Amino acid sequence: TQLLEQSPQFLSIQEGENLTVYCNSSSVFSSLQWYRQEPGEGPVLLVTVVTGGEVKKLKRLTFQFGDARKDSSLHITAAQPGDTGLYLCAGPSGGGADGLTFGKGTHLIIQP
Amino acid sequence: GAVVSQHPSWVICKSGTSVKIECRSLDFQATTMFWYRQFPKQSLMLMATSNEGSKATYEQGVEKDKFLINHASLTLSTLTVTSAHPEDSSFYICSAFLARDYGYTFGSGTRLTVV
Repeated sequence: TQLLEQSPQFLSIQEGENLTVYCNSSSVFSSLQWYRQEPGEGPVLLVTVVTGGEVKKLKRLTFQFGDARKDSSLHITAAQPGDTGLYLCAGPSGGGADGLTFGKGTHLIIQP
Repeated sequence: GAVVSQHPSWVICKSGTSVKIECRSLDFQATTMFWYRQFPKQSLMLMATSNEGSKATYEQGVEKDKFLINHASLTLSTLTVTSAHPEDSSFYICSAFLARDYGYTFGSGTRLTVV
């Protein structure tokens, strides 16, 4: 199983600030996904990146896939309280079953 | 969009009893579904892959006799936690793969508490 290291684990910032969450691995991934999870709910897909060096934007969220496809980042501009949640990166588990391996997640709190 | 419906949302059971969790794909067929477990403040861990019409594939360390998976149709997979113990208390989530650009869709999860 391929491992994903996510950092930081916890982040609490003021509304309006910018932040970046990192997802790193020593393994190459064919694709990486970012999810957001609210308490008591299942994860919701934000984006899938598949090409090395790819950058995707989703409103104030910018996702980047590393050139070597071993890492990814999520940058949030002008964070808002509604961005509060658990952000998870995930990639194919590599075990042949097509399930996902998840990073440990970043618990993000945006304070008004 | 494609929806996976998971029931129940929460369940409390006595130690030693069995609990069944259902996962249905509402507007698409899912030949493969996945079951994850999530402990508080932790990430999702893949437990098993459910294959329609065949045996499930379990991840290392997951007891297949304790976590029974049945995928009898293209729209329904079930996870039965047998002889549940307090350490089985967790958040169980099912998922199905849609397509490369759409990724996986997840159920809303089941909070299991064993007392």
